[in-house]
Amino acid sequence: NAGVTQTPKFQVLKTGQSMTLQCAQDMNHNSMYWYRQDPGMGLRLIYYSASEGTTDKGEVPNGYNVSRLNKREFSLRLESAAPSQTSVYFCASSERGRQYEQYFGPGTRLTVT
Amino acid sequence: SQQGEEDPQALSIQEGENATMNCSYKTSINNLQWYRQNSGRGLVHLILIRSNEREKHSGRLRVTLDTSKKSSSLLITASRAADTASYFCATAMQGGSEKLVFGKGTKLTVNP
Repeated sequence: NAGVTQTPKFQVLKTGQSMTLQCAQDMNHNSMYWYRQDPGMGLRLIYYSASEGTTDKGEVPNGYNVSRLNKREFSLRLESAAPSQTSVYFCASSERGRQYEQYFGPGTRLTVT
Repeated sequence: SQQGEEDPQALSIQEGENATMNCSYKTSINNLQWYRQNSGRGLVHLILIRSNEREKHSGRLRVTLDTSKKSSSLLITASRAADTASYFCATAMQGGSEKLVFGKGTKLTVNP
């Protein structure tokens, strides 16, 4: 099992460009999450999906959109990238939310110039 | 805003020593989890302690939870160089939605 996979690993964007970060899990988990991590900070939740077909905002949703394409896949879209979105993005999944541990992907390092 | 706050922010010890990290939080929780992050990697779950538990062990890890003080501690015994990483606590709030709230982490360096 691959666990949680993320693509791409690295990306450089110019201000105003758009892109989609992809995440997939093969553990049949119901819940999936997108976080961002900035230097010296913990993880901040951007969006999460408690089950297929549902999505909810986290702590820092502005400037992002998400799609829970199916049970396996949860994508994060930046419509018009800004330098403030320079960060490392992590996708995670769990069996059913806060009662259970989360499994993390390796991260996408995004730089917006 | 972050629910959990780890203390200290950074800790440097010698191999073989014990490492203790603390986490304080603000609101009632359902459970508290500890995660490890090696440099440049994703987080890895270490241990989960429920609000009705006071202590839990896993290998060289010992976690305590004091809900009256809203605090938890993670003890790593007989540390190894491979334990060098950042450690985060994450809280699942009572009555909250399906999410965890992470602290800013403790950066542990174990010197050989």
